[in-house]
Amino acid sequence: AQSVTQLGSHVSVSEGALVLLRCNYSSSVPPYLFWYVQYPNQGLQLLLKYTTGATLVKGINGFEAEFKKSETSFHLTKPSAHMSDAAEYFCAVSNTGKLIFGQGTTLQVKP
Amino acid sequence: GAVVSQHPSWVICKSGTSVKIECRSLDFQATTMFWYRQFPKQSLMLMATSNEGSKATYEQGVEKDKFLINHASLTLSTLTVTSAHPEDSSFYICGTGDFDNQPQHFGDGTRLSIL
Repeated sequence: AQSVTQLGSHVSVSEGALVLLRCNYSSSVPPYLFWYVQYPNQGLQLLLKYTTGATLVKGINGFEAEFKKSETSFHLTKPSAHMSDAAEYFCAVSNTGKLIFGQGTTLQVKP
Repeated sequence: GAVVSQHPSWVICKSGTSVKIECRSLDFQATTMFWYRQFPKQSLMLMATSNEGSKATYEQGVEKDKFLINHASLTLSTLTVTSAHPEDSSFYICGTGDFDNQPQHFGDGTRLSIL
């Protein structure tokens, strides 16, 4: 069975600071991993995905994530937070098209 | 890129009413549609998977007679909440996907409030 754990339900950073959102997964087969962002009362928008190949994945809005098999992690980072990054972030794992989501992390960006 | 249109975005209705939510794929053929439910401040929980032209597959604990899913065409899937009650109030989101490594594309969600 697959599962996703997001460490920290709430992360607060100052504008311009590094953003680090943690995600660990459990999968018996090579996983496909995703990060999504959700703004209030909206659906989800794909930030980036890892399927195969390069383990450092670059996404939209300056985000990137690194797949580390030895650590079963897929942490999301952004060098410099912007106020518009404040949202809910979900990590997800899939190998059959069916996504299993983590519990989500709320990112707060302080001026 | 792919666009999924979900309607309505907000519904308020009386207890006992049936509510239909539509999810349309605008520029591609969605052979598979996933329906999720999200409670406030929580993650998305998969309710069911529908495939065009066949019966939906429901997740454990989801009442198939309560949440009717129809996927009659490659561009339209519907979720009908039958005889809705206050406990059915939630945020419902549809998403497309297939069994390759394609990421799912989501509608903007429907907030359902049952009075």
